[in-house]
Amino acid sequence: NAGVTQTPKFQVLKTGQSMTLQCAQDMNHEYMSWYRQDPGMGLRLIHYSVGAGITDQGEVPNGYNVSRSTTEDFPLRLLSAAPSQTSVYFCASSSRGMNTEAFFGQGTRLTVV
Amino acid sequence: AQKITQTQPGMFVQEKEAVTLDCTYDTSDPSYGLFWYKQPSSGEMIFLIYQGSYDQQNATEGRYSLNFQKARKSANLVISASQLGDSAMYFCAMREGYSSASKIIFGSGTRLSIRP
Repeated sequence: NAGVTQTPKFQVLKTGQSMTLQCAQDMNHEYMSWYRQDPGMGLRLIHYSVGAGITDQGEVPNGYNVSRSTTEDFPLRLLSAAPSQTSVYFCASSSRGMNTEAFFGQGTRLTVV
Repeated sequence: AQKITQTQPGMFVQEKEAVTLDCTYDTSDPSYGLFWYKQPSSGEMIFLIYQGSYDQQNATEGRYSLNFQKARKSANLVISASQLGDSAMYFCAMREGYSSASKIIFGSGTRLSIRP
């Protein structure tokens, strides 16, 4: 019963460092997405994917890259971390269709100093 | 463009009372789905209830019901007989499109606190 697995759970980066947040799902979901959660701003969509090889930008894509080489994995890359990227990051997946809810990972708390 | 608005940053409710959390949305797509999620202090996202744009009746799941007013573009969550464990952040979300795997967007959330 793994569902959506995110790693790491916590991370501290220095400004300018790069890192990849990992996300994997075992439910054969076509749709995967990354959100960031900041106080008072809810969950904002960073990037999403509707299938392997297909990605698109969300509301706040700047500073982040994604790729989707397999159905299962959807990593989020920070190329040069900035303090403004300090946030809690959630990965989510779902089946196709407007009536299918998203399943979320446990979140990654990222601090950029 | 799709948009979700939650205008109540925080609410306090007495235990055992009913509470309504507001959600309004904007979309030009006639086909869409509306979702509510709960986020307790532990941080996980828990799916509560779903309402489709073509559903004739308001959705219900146990103590949760959705007051869906399509003409007003509102989808308020009603929690009956609130419990201390209902204290959490609540998010409204929307997904457009009947057959496509379209993106899901969220509102800014409402922090609900239940008083004993």
